[in-house]
Amino acid sequence: EVQLLESGGGLVQPGGSLRLSCAASGFTFSKYTMGWVRQAPGTGLEWVSGISDSGGTTFYAESVKGRFTISRDNSKDTLFLQMNSLRAEDTAVYYCAKGYGFDSWGQGTLVTVSS
Amino acid sequence: DIVMTQTPLSLSVTPGQPASISCKSSESLLHSNGKTYLYWYLQKSGQPPQLLIYEVSNRFSGVPDKFSGSGSGTDFTLKISRVEAEDVGIYYCMQSIQLPRWTFGQGTKVEIK
Repeated sequence: EVQLLESGGGLVQPGGSLRLSCAASGFTFSKYTMGWVRQAPGTGLEWVSGISDSGGTTFYAESVKGRFTISRDNSKDTLFLQMNSLRAEDTAVYYCAKGYGFDSWGQGTLVTVSS
Repeated sequence: DIVMTQTPLSLSVTPGQPASISCKSSESLLHSNGKTYLYWYLQKSGQPPQLLIYEVSNRFSGVPDKFSGSGSGTDFTLKISRVEAEDVGIYYCMQSIQLPRWTFGQGTKVEIK
């Protein structure tokens, strides 16, 4: 059974940083593109970032480019999202998702940016 | 970026009746490899989204056959043959042809009358 478990969310002040993790199990992690999708309170889904199976290629939404960095450790089946220069509008539940078609999702981790 | 537009944005359905949701993309989702990269998800209250349909019309593992997807090019439809209480939630379409830019529709809220 595919499992994705996010962690690392919390309350942070504007301008601060957080690092999210997503621990994967139940599939061969190193064979799949992975992504992060967020959902601000009461709103829809917004793709944030993606990374190729090898980690050699990364993709970012314009809203986070230059502030967020996606990475992965295929030896530990873990996906990361380093978030710097956080803004109030980054407040959201962050989900990691598997594959080009996002066929499996974690339960999400809440990031709140507020003073 | 490709814009995904869903209609309606909300739907109230009598149990046992069918429902239909439309998703239109601003550009064709047909890839040169012959595949069309259009997906449908359901997000129930307090839960992450779950994949229902991939590549327009293929039901994901474990998805009941009351869900069906159709369409081509820029126009797509998700149909629920008989809506039940467990089908309540927000339905999203998503495209992944224009990588590296995945984009979602606004969502359609389905409720029971």
